[in-house]
Amino acid sequence: DTGVSQNPRHKITKRGQNVTFRCDPISEHNRLYWYRQTLGQGPEFLTYFQNEAQLEKSRLLSDRFSAERPKGSFSTLEIQRTEQGDSAMYLCASTLGTVLFGSGTRLTVV
Amino acid sequence: AQKITQTQPGMFVQEKEAVTLDCTYDTSDQSYGLFWYKQPSSGEMIFLIYQGSYDEQNATEGRYSLNFQKARKSANLVISASQLGDSAMYFCAMREYGGGGNKLTFGTGTQLKVEL
Repeated sequence: DTGVSQNPRHKITKRGQNVTFRCDPISEHNRLYWYRQTLGQGPEFLTYFQNEAQLEKSRLLSDRFSAERPKGSFSTLEIQRTEQGDSAMYLCASTLGTVLFGSGTRLTVV
Repeated sequence: AQKITQTQPGMFVQEKEAVTLDCTYDTSDQSYGLFWYKQPSSGEMIFLIYQGSYDEQNATEGRYSLNFQKARKSANLVISASQLGDSAMYFCAMREYGGGGNKLTFGTGTQLKVEL
């Protein structure tokens, strides 16, 4: 394992469907972050875990969004009842010091 | 106020020339870190270089160097000997170790185009 892994790389879904993304951080990294990036913008913070504890959530993370990191290893981000405005790149990052990112999941809601 | 400001939406540079990408930041924390990332069109965020607020020397990593001017709150990225593969979006980001929750805050990015 040489980096942060995200699956799937691309997801196209119909409006109203639920989607789930997975992030596998670098194994010794205890902190994990989710970010969202829309076209032409920098990534925006969504939420942050230290081990299995979710320590911070952005106000961007509406009730339709939920994130888990059940055993302090991989994390999932679920979006319920997707809307077209959810179309974005969802980036996961992990850190012990330097923050390293995965390749992202590009979500398109049609 | 914006925490990270990148005032150059786009920059052009000729191959083999040096280029400076600007970044200013705003924080009241004494302890913070500044990061630069490269994002090619494929979308992944590639870590380039890091500068801690207490580091006295400017960070360097190969062709990348960070011109850190603490009093001015600027952390400009210098890329020397530009290559065609350097064409990408570049983001400056800050991590506040005090009350900032350890998350990264990003600027809006600079699109760099390296020309022959």
